Amino acid sequence: DAMVIQNPRYQVTQFGKPVTLSCSQTLNHNVMYWYQQKSSQAPKLLFHYYDKDFNNEADTPDNFQSRRPNTSFCFLDIRSPGLGDAAMYLCATEGLSSYNEQFFGPGTRLTVL
Amino acid sequence: GDSVTQMEGPVTLSEEAFLTINCTYTATGYPSLFWYVQYPGEGLQLLLKATKADDKGSNKGFEATYRKETTSFHLEKGSVQVSDSAVYFCALSGSARQLTFGSGTQLTVLP
Repeated sequence: DAMVIQNPRYQVTQFGKPVTLSCSQTLNHNVMYWYQQKSSQAPKLLFHYYDKDFNNEADTPDNFQSRRPNTSFCFLDIRSPGLGDAAMYLCATEGLSSYNEQFFGPGTRLTVL
Repeated sequence: GDSVTQMEGPVTLSEEAFLTINCTYTATGYPSLFWYVQYPGEGLQLLLKATKADDKGSNKGFEATYRKETTSFHLEKGSVQVSDSAVYFCALSGSARQLTFGSGTQLTVLP
């Protein structure tokens, strides 16, 4: 089945220790999104790619970076995680002909010790 | 800018009760409207969608109708089950092609 895969599902890191989260998709969608979701809140968009064109939300902290080496893969790098970065991180994709429907991965739960 | 206002939770119902979760929106143009469901510890799953006025989205017994005159997209189900317990998000996608979410409604269904 075509899908969006996120690895790992659970990630534990230490305060200030860089961490990378990964997302892959078999849908061949042009657009990929990264969201941060804190407990009992709606997902908050961090950035998105339209193909290789990177778009950063204005309030996304500089601590968060992203890479998209090819259509299938996208990475979220947190350079120096703080306690406030503990959250669920969601990856989503969108095809140009899907009426703006986004397909979400299962998420990575990040814990910062 | 675009916004979605969603009924505050939590909502607790008995099995087989009728469910309504209200959702209203503000957007320019003709947005697409969505309901996503999130089970504990999981990502978001699309429940249903509607892309133009008067469209009715339906899935798994859930329904919602795109009402442009009232800018609403209320979610309904005639008879809820324990397995429907989850968080439900109303969302829209407007001219910017990005999702704007409501705040989410936690639904708990008791046996």
